[in-house]
Amino acid sequence: QKEVEQNSGPLSVPEGAIASLNCTYSDRVSQSFFWYRQYSGKSPELIMSIYSNGDKEDGRFTAQLNKASQYVSLLIRDSQPSDSATYLCAVISFQKLVFGTGTRLLVSP
Amino acid sequence: NAGVMQNPRHLVRRRGQEARLRCSPMKGHSHVYWYRQLPEEGLKFMVYLQKENIIDESGMPKERFSAEFPKEGPSILRIQQVVRGDSAAYFCASSTSQGAVGEQFFGPGTRLTVL
Repeated sequence: QKEVEQNSGPLSVPEGAIASLNCTYSDRVSQSFFWYRQYSGKSPELIMSIYSNGDKEDGRFTAQLNKASQYVSLLIRDSQPSDSATYLCAVISFQKLVFGTGTRLLVSP
Repeated sequence: NAGVMQNPRHLVRRRGQEARLRCSPMKGHSHVYWYRQLPEEGLKFMVYLQKENIIDESGMPKERFSAEFPKEGPSILRIQQVVRGDSAAYFCASSTSQGAVGEQFFGPGTRLTVL
């Protein structure tokens, strides 16, 4: 079982729609969760962090965490073509950051 | 305010040669991480260093790979006797402290191609 699992996609949504990206993790003691965005050919950049169960909102982004289900998600409201990228879920496990393989998001105009 | 710097951005080596990848962390950051990313795969942790110390090298292949972060100068990831399977993007990231391990800032990466 992979430590962090994501659907590779691509997830295709029309401009203005809500994009929902999901991630599950295997380490039950993990307490810190992150979403990174990576444009093609570029390096990852941190866009959201979440540490407590529930929702955390930042602009058009909402991270959701359910530790009981070992599930973390990222919602992107009013999706824009510029949001087209690969979104990497990451979890701190044994004091290092473990990444999923990422979900590719395509937002069509 | 310079970010994380990596050089070279692209590196081509023939099988059997050595590859040296350099990383200068963001100003004020003393923690450096190296990752490898293969096409269509996620980032794989390789090694975590502080100045003059290797903290965690659990992701490093046992042979041919080494890393250092000297007191002065950039962090170096060294790959000896490269093979085609070493072709990948190698990213360096830095953070302010171990407590900020999840909030890492990434460099632009070095794309290594082994012919």
